[in-house]
Amino acid sequence: AQSVAQPEDQVNVAEGNPLTVKCTYSVSGNPYLFWYVQYPNRGLQFLLKYITGDNLVKGSYGFEAEFNKSQTSFHLKKPSALVSDSALYFCAVRDGAAGNKLTFGGGTRVLVKP
Amino acid sequence: DTGVSQDPRHKITKRGQNVTFRCDPISEHNRLYWYRQTLGQGPEFLTYFQNEAQLEKSRLLSDRFSAERPKGSFSTLEIQRTEQGDSAMYLCASSDLGVSYNSPLHFGNGTRLTVT
Repeated sequence: AQSVAQPEDQVNVAEGNPLTVKCTYSVSGNPYLFWYVQYPNRGLQFLLKYITGDNLVKGSYGFEAEFNKSQTSFHLKKPSALVSDSALYFCAVRDGAAGNKLTFGGGTRVLVKP
Repeated sequence: DTGVSQDPRHKITKRGQNVTFRCDPISEHNRLYWYRQTLGQGPEFLTYFQNEAQLEKSRLLSDRFSAERPKGSFSTLEIQRTEQGDSAMYLCASSDLGVSYNSPLHFGNGTRLTVT
């Protein structure tokens, strides 16, 4: 069965500092990986995805993520965090060998302090 | 692109009552998904449609839950005989067919259900 782990419930970072949100996954087939962000009382918004190719993918709002097959990780990064990046971040995986549903991690709350 | 629309935004109901939620996907999107999200948790997959066909259902979807997408456009999710454990945010998402199943999901703002 496919699964996603986000080991940190919350990440605190000062504005202007680099931001990293961790994600590890488990699948039996090829992994297709996604990051979404959720603001209060809103639905999830797509940030970026890894399907194949270059391990470093770039997405919306200056975010990027690095796919590491050996470590089964897909950490989200931003070189310089903004206060407006404060939100709930979800990593998700689709197992290429197990149907079409997207499985989400438990989420990581990011708090960027001025 | 008017986005995915869900109605109502909030629903408070008494235990044992039936409730129905509606989702209008982005008009050109063929796929429609329902997820449930409880406080502090990630969204949990419930079911998904391609056009009017319901192709996958989670084991989370008990027989009290039913979803339809009769004309391949909007969808409804009905919960019969609601229980307090059904209290959650119900999220709808849609995506286009794309080359594979890896088109991003576009989520609505959800329907928050409170069962008293």
